[in-house]
Amino acid sequence: DAKTTQPNSMESNEEEPVHLPCNHSTISGTDYIHWYRQLPSQGPEYVIHGLTSNVNNRMASLAIAEDRKSSTLILHRATLRDAAVYYCILRANTGNQFYFGTGTSLTVIP
Amino acid sequence: EPEVTQTPSHQVTQMGQEVILRCVPISNHLYFYWYRQILGQKVEFLVSFYNNEISEKSEIFDDQFSVERPDGSNFTLKIRSTKLEDSAMYFCASRGIGPGNSGNTIYFGEGSWLTVV
Repeated sequence: DAKTTQPNSMESNEEEPVHLPCNHSTISGTDYIHWYRQLPSQGPEYVIHGLTSNVNNRMASLAIAEDRKSSTLILHRATLRDAAVYYCILRANTGNQFYFGTGTSLTVIP
Repeated sequence: EPEVTQTPSHQVTQMGQEVILRCVPISNHLYFYWYRQILGQKVEFLVSFYNNEISEKSEIFDDQFSVERPDGSNFTLKIRSTKLEDSAMYFCASRGIGPGNSGNTIYFGEGSWLTVV
């Protein structure tokens, strides 16, 4: 699976938007971009995924660069419950499991 | 919303003992996984299971480990002769097939915390 690069940690003020970046310069044409998050003492939780177009759901938005070599997870209004480790993962459409990196640890400041 | 459930939530076992961790995947899912996370480290893939056989496994998944789907609902991970370094959170996960979220998204359970003493 292609490698992703994320900052180790980020901080955000509560109720402000958060932009979590991910670089994936070796992404292939069939790789989907997935985002998961892991709250303390819980299992990883699906957030959003996309292929080429920007995606929105009730949790977040995913902005994908035109060349697909980077993407950004956008939390529109950070809450204290959004404090978690966020993982950006690539998986081929025909692929099976996910490989997790070290992710970005998001701290939300009240 | 359907979820993956795991038991036990926490187990303490003596070194050398056998442990079975149990999982009930989401009912219409066909792909099943085990991952583990040693405290403070990243989530590591162990094994994937499809059509009643292992489809992929990592280097971690050696002869000490085995998986089984003994009936239509349970998916188990057996660890024989546990070692201190097996202490970790073990996550079960499942995935459906088809387009959209069902086929693309892996859903994780809350984990079973194994402590080997």
